Amino acid sequence: QSALTQPASVSGSPGQSITISCTGTSSDVGAYNLVSWYQQHPAKAPRLMIYEVSKRPSGVSDRFSGSKSGNTASLTISGLQAEDEADYYCCSYAGSDTYVFGTGTKGTVL
Amino acid sequence: EVQLVESGGGVVQPGGSLRLSCAASGFTFSSYNMHWVRQAPGQGLVWVSRITSDGSSTSYADSVKGRFTISRDDAKNTLYLQMNSLRAEDTAVYYCAKYYGAGTYCLDYWGRGTLVTVSS
Repeated sequence: QSALTQPASVSGSPGQSITISCTGTSSDVGAYNLVSWYQQHPAKAPRLMIYEVSKRPSGVSDRFSGSKSGNTASLTISGLQAEDEADYYCCSYAGSDTYVFGTGTKGTVL
Repeated sequence: EVQLVESGGGVVQPGGSLRLSCAASGFTFSSYNMHWVRQAPGQGLVWVSRITSDGSSTSYADSVKGRFTISRDDAKNTLYLQMNSLRAEDTAVYYCAKYYGAGTYCLDYWGRGTLVTVSS
């Protein structure tokens, strides 16, 4: 149950796009199309942004999109806005009714 | 409106025990799997445990297996986490979270968390 690997930080200017990677193994990310992404603002509870690799829950902006290739999933935020500055975590089902989160990425809007 | 409110956190000595509660409202609690996730100060999210909607199946992270027990009381719409043999590394904010729905394997509502500090 090792944490999925994410870059510590990613930054972009308003209006630009950023992509956050999430690398796991053939036992978690690579094995299931069950990757989700969460946004967390300081001292706040996480918020679900993407589930099942690329689906958006109701109320989440279409500026957020997800994809996966092999053992690596990605979250892309397009048209970057100030309120997108937050920490982002990926999460994957890891089999046997267990889950694993990523190490987290600090998203910065320059 | 879905609400999850955790309680029961506090300061406990190494080796001690604590029971966390999560009061749920705004949805049919008995129909959903529920999870606990923790976050050490300044660190990332870590999945801790899950219980099925009917309480018949539980699962745990290796780091807490044998020490923590998840349970639920559907009559009280409450989720619990019994934590025994606590260690310094268990210090974290503990969140309860609701499973989104069948086949999604993600968590759509989270509480605000309760802080557990393990220290002598």
